[in-house]
Amino acid sequence: GQNIDQPTEMTATEGAIVQINCTYQTSGFNGLFWYQQHAGEAPTFLSYNVLDGLEEKGRFSSFLSRSKGYSYLLLKELQMKDSASYLCAVLMNRDDKIIFGKGTRLHILP
Amino acid sequence: KAGVTQTPRYLIKTRGQQVTLSCSPISGHRSVSWYQQTPGQGLQFLFEYFSETQRNKGNFPGRFSGRQFSNSRSEMNVSTLELGDSALYLCASSLDWTGAGNTIYFGEGSWLTVV
Repeated sequence: GQNIDQPTEMTATEGAIVQINCTYQTSGFNGLFWYQQHAGEAPTFLSYNVLDGLEEKGRFSSFLSRSKGYSYLLLKELQMKDSASYLCAVLMNRDDKIIFGKGTRLHILP
Repeated sequence: KAGVTQTPRYLIKTRGQQVTLSCSPISGHRSVSWYQQTPGQGLQFLFEYFSETQRNKGNFPGRFSGRQFSNSRSEMNVSTLELGDSALYLCASSLDWTGAGNTIYFGEGSWLTVV
Protein backbone atom coordinates (compact mmCIF):
# COMPACT_ATOMS: atom_id res chain seq x y z
CA GLY A 1 0.00 0.00 0.00
CA GLN A 2 0.90 3.64 -0.12
CA ASN A 3 2.18 5.33 3.01
CA ILE A 4 3.20 8.91 3.63
CA ASP A 5 4.24 9.87 7.16
CA GLN A 6 4.71 13.30 8.65
CA PRO A 7 4.44 14.53 12.23
CA THR A 8 0.95 15.53 13.30
CA GLU A 9 1.91 18.73 15.07
CA MET A 10 4.96 20.91 15.65
CA THR A 11 5.58 24.09 17.59
CA ALA A 12 8.25 26.70 16.91
CA THR A 13 9.07 30.26 17.91
CA GLU A 14 8.78 33.37 15.76
CA GLY A 15 12.09 34.14 14.06
CA ALA A 16 13.39 30.59 14.44
CA ILE A 17 13.91 27.75 11.91
CA VAL A 18 11.77 24.62 11.70
CA GLN A 19 12.16 21.45 9.65
CA ILE A 20 9.09 19.36 8.77
CA ASN A 21 9.95 15.82 7.74
CA CYS A 22 8.08 13.52 5.38
CA THR A 23 8.82 9.86 4.66
CA TYR A 24 7.06 7.84 2.00
CA GLN A 25 6.67 4.30 0.74
CA THR A 26 4.74 4.30 -2.51
CA SER A 27 4.35 2.21 -5.65
CA GLY A 28 6.52 4.25 -7.93
CA PHE A 29 7.63 7.83 -7.57
CA ASN A 30 7.66 10.77 -9.93
CA GLY A 31 8.01 13.70 -7.58
CA LEU A 32 7.04 15.22 -4.26
CA PHE A 33 4.94 18.30 -3.55
CA TRP A 34 4.66 20.49 -0.48
CA TYR A 35 1.51 22.51 0.10
CA GLN A 36 0.57 25.01 2.82
CA GLN A 37 -2.99 25.14 4.11
CA HIS A 38 -4.28 27.79 6.51
CA ALA A 39 -7.31 26.83 8.55
CA GLY A 40 -10.47 27.09 6.48
CA GLU A 41 -8.58 27.88 3.29
CA ALA A 42 -7.42 26.04 0.16
CA PRO A 43 -4.00 24.39 0.06
CA THR A 44 -1.46 26.53 -1.78
CA PHE A 45 1.56 25.22 -3.68
CA LEU A 46 4.99 25.63 -2.08
CA SER A 47 7.38 23.34 -3.95
CA TYR A 48 7.82 20.34 -6.23
CA ASN A 49 10.96 18.17 -6.07
CA VAL A 50 11.83 15.58 -8.67
CA LEU A 51 15.59 15.22 -8.28
CA ASP A 52 17.62 14.66 -5.11
CA GLY A 53 18.85 17.75 -3.36
CA LEU A 54 17.81 21.02 -1.85
CA GLU A 55 15.70 23.63 -3.61
CA GLU A 56 15.53 27.05 -2.02
CA LYS A 57 12.72 29.52 -2.55
CA GLY A 58 12.99 32.53 -0.29
CA ARG A 59 12.39 31.59 3.34
CA PHE A 60 11.25 28.10 2.33
CA SER A 61 13.47 25.25 1.15
CA SER A 62 12.59 21.69 0.25
CA PHE A 63 14.89 18.67 0.24
CA LEU A 64 14.45 15.27 -1.39
CA SER A 65 16.28 11.96 -1.11
CA ARG A 66 14.68 9.44 -3.46
CA SER A 67 16.85 6.55 -2.27
CA LYS A 68 15.76 7.11 1.33
CA GLY A 69 12.12 7.93 0.57
CA TYR A 70 12.55 11.13 2.52
CA SER A 71 11.85 14.82 2.15
CA TYR A 72 11.80 17.82 4.41
CA LEU A 73 10.48 21.36 4.26
CA LEU A 74 12.65 23.97 5.95
CA LEU A 75 11.11 27.24 7.05
CA LYS A 76 13.45 30.04 8.11
CA GLU A 77 12.81 33.32 9.94
CA LEU A 78 9.43 32.08 11.04
CA GLN A 79 6.55 34.53 11.04
CA MET A 80 3.20 34.26 12.78
CA LYS A 81 1.51 33.91 9.37
CA ASP A 82 3.41 30.62 8.89
CA SER A 83 1.03 29.00 11.38
CA ALA A 84 -0.70 26.50 9.10
CA SER A 85 -0.81 22.87 8.07
CA TYR A 86 1.90 21.64 5.73
CA LEU A 87 0.99 18.81 3.39
CA CYS A 88 3.47 16.44 1.80
CA ALA A 89 2.23 14.72 -1.38
CA VAL A 90 3.75 12.15 -3.73
CA LEU A 91 3.06 11.88 -7.45
CA MET A 92 3.20 8.19 -8.24
CA ASN A 93 4.37 7.14 -11.68
CA ARG A 94 2.53 3.84 -11.65
CA ASP A 95 -0.94 5.34 -11.87
CA ASP A 96 -0.34 9.11 -12.03
CA LYS A 97 -2.12 9.73 -8.72
CA ILE A 98 -1.10 12.32 -6.16
CA ILE A 99 -1.26 10.88 -2.65
CA PHE A 100 -1.25 13.28 0.29
CA GLY A 101 0.04 12.81 3.79
CA LYS A 102 -2.26 13.83 6.65
CA GLY A 103 -0.39 17.07 7.14
CA THR A 104 1.66 18.68 9.89
CA ARG A 105 0.00 21.42 11.89
CA LEU A 106 2.63 24.04 12.71
CA HIS A 107 2.06 26.43 15.61
CA ILE A 108 4.20 29.56 15.86
CA LEU A 109 4.67 31.12 19.28
CA PRO A 110 5.56 34.81 19.73
CA LYS B 1 -6.33 35.49 -13.72
CA ALA B 2 -9.17 33.96 -11.72
CA GLY B 3 -8.37 30.97 -9.56
CA VAL B 4 -10.26 27.74 -9.17
CA THR B 5 -13.88 28.48 -8.29
CA GLN B 6 -16.10 26.07 -6.39
CA THR B 7 -19.79 26.34 -5.66
CA PRO B 8 -21.55 26.14 -3.33
CA ARG B 9 -19.13 26.97 -0.52
CA TYR B 10 -21.32 25.57 2.25
CA LEU B 11 -24.25 23.21 2.23
CA ILE B 12 -26.23 21.01 4.59
CA LYS B 13 -27.96 17.88 3.36
CA THR B 14 -29.96 15.08 4.92
CA ARG B 15 -28.97 11.42 4.89
CA GLY B 16 -30.19 9.72 1.74
CA GLN B 17 -30.22 12.87 -0.36
CA GLN B 18 -27.86 13.56 -3.21
CA VAL B 19 -25.63 16.53 -3.84
CA THR B 20 -23.89 18.10 -6.83
CA LEU B 21 -20.79 20.26 -6.46
CA SER B 22 -19.39 22.45 -9.19
CA CYS B 23 -15.85 23.47 -10.09
CA SER B 24 -14.54 25.98 -12.63
CA PRO B 25 -10.81 25.51 -13.25
CA ILE B 26 -8.27 28.21 -13.95
CA SER B 27 -8.65 29.45 -17.52
CA GLY B 28 -6.64 27.25 -19.88
CA HIS B 29 -6.35 24.34 -17.45
CA ARG B 30 -7.63 21.08 -18.87
CA SER B 31 -7.33 18.76 -15.87
CA VAL B 32 -9.65 18.80 -12.86
CA SER B 33 -9.17 16.60 -9.80
CA TRP B 34 -11.43 16.18 -6.82
CA TYR B 35 -10.37 15.43 -3.24
CA GLN B 36 -12.17 14.79 0.01
CA GLN B 37 -10.63 16.25 3.15
CA THR B 38 -11.57 15.14 6.66
CA PRO B 39 -9.72 15.64 9.97
CA GLY B 40 -9.16 11.92 10.39
CA GLN B 41 -8.14 10.89 6.87
CA GLY B 42 -6.60 14.03 5.47
CA LEU B 43 -6.81 14.69 1.73
CA GLN B 44 -8.03 11.70 -0.24
CA PHE B 45 -8.14 11.51 -4.02
CA LEU B 46 -11.56 10.99 -5.59
CA PHE B 47 -11.01 11.25 -9.33
CA GLU B 48 -9.33 13.20 -12.12
CA TYR B 49 -10.87 14.38 -15.37
CA PHE B 50 -8.94 15.44 -18.44
CA SER B 51 -10.50 16.41 -21.75
CA GLU B 52 -13.93 15.25 -20.55
CA THR B 53 -12.63 11.76 -19.71
CA GLN B 54 -12.06 10.25 -16.28
CA ARG B 55 -8.32 9.49 -16.23
CA ASN B 56 -8.07 8.22 -12.70
CA LYS B 57 -10.18 7.15 -9.79
CA GLY B 58 -9.54 6.77 -6.08
CA ASN B 59 -10.94 4.18 -3.69
CA PHE B 60 -14.41 5.58 -3.14
CA PRO B 61 -17.74 3.81 -3.62
CA GLY B 62 -19.79 4.21 -6.78
CA ARG B 63 -22.01 6.74 -4.99
CA PHE B 64 -19.31 9.25 -5.85
CA SER B 65 -19.27 10.25 -9.49
CA GLY B 66 -18.18 13.14 -11.63
CA ARG B 67 -18.01 14.55 -15.08
CA GLN B 68 -16.22 17.22 -17.05
CA PHE B 69 -17.67 19.45 -19.71
CA SER B 70 -16.12 20.68 -22.94
CA ASN B 71 -15.19 24.00 -21.28
CA SER B 72 -13.24 22.00 -18.62
CA ARG B 73 -15.74 22.84 -15.88
CA SER B 74 -16.45 19.83 -13.70
CA GLU B 75 -19.15 18.57 -11.40
CA MET B 76 -19.10 15.84 -8.81
CA ASN B 77 -22.14 14.09 -7.47
CA VAL B 78 -22.67 12.09 -4.31
CA SER B 79 -25.83 10.03 -4.12
CA THR B 80 -27.51 8.46 -1.09
CA LEU B 81 -25.57 10.64 1.31
CA GLU B 82 -24.23 9.14 4.53
CA LEU B 83 -23.14 10.93 7.70
CA GLY B 84 -19.55 9.97 6.93
CA ASP B 85 -19.66 11.98 3.70
CA SER B 86 -19.47 15.18 5.75
CA ALA B 87 -16.22 16.74 4.63
CA LEU B 88 -14.51 19.51 2.71
CA TYR B 89 -14.54 18.69 -0.99
CA LEU B 90 -11.67 20.29 -2.84
CA CYS B 91 -11.32 20.73 -6.55
CA ALA B 92 -7.91 21.25 -8.10
CA SER B 93 -6.95 22.17 -11.64
CA SER B 94 -3.73 21.86 -13.61
CA LEU B 95 -2.61 22.76 -17.07
CA ASP B 96 -2.17 19.19 -18.16
CA TRP B 97 -2.96 15.76 -16.73
CA THR B 98 -1.58 15.09 -13.25
CA GLY B 99 0.99 12.53 -14.36
CA ALA B 100 2.84 15.18 -16.33
CA GLY B 101 3.98 16.66 -13.03
CA ASN B 102 2.15 19.93 -13.40
CA THR B 103 1.34 21.84 -10.25
CA ILE B 104 -2.24 21.47 -9.12
CA TYR B 105 -4.05 24.57 -7.84
CA PHE B 106 -6.85 24.17 -5.34
CA GLY B 107 -10.16 25.94 -5.00
CA GLU B 108 -11.54 27.11 -1.64
CA GLY B 109 -13.62 23.96 -1.34
CA SER B 110 -17.22 23.07 -0.65
CA TRP B 111 -18.06 22.28 2.97
CA LEU B 112 -20.69 19.53 3.04
CA THR B 113 -22.48 18.63 6.25
CA VAL B 114 -24.77 15.60 6.24
CA VAL B 115 -27.32 15.45 9.08
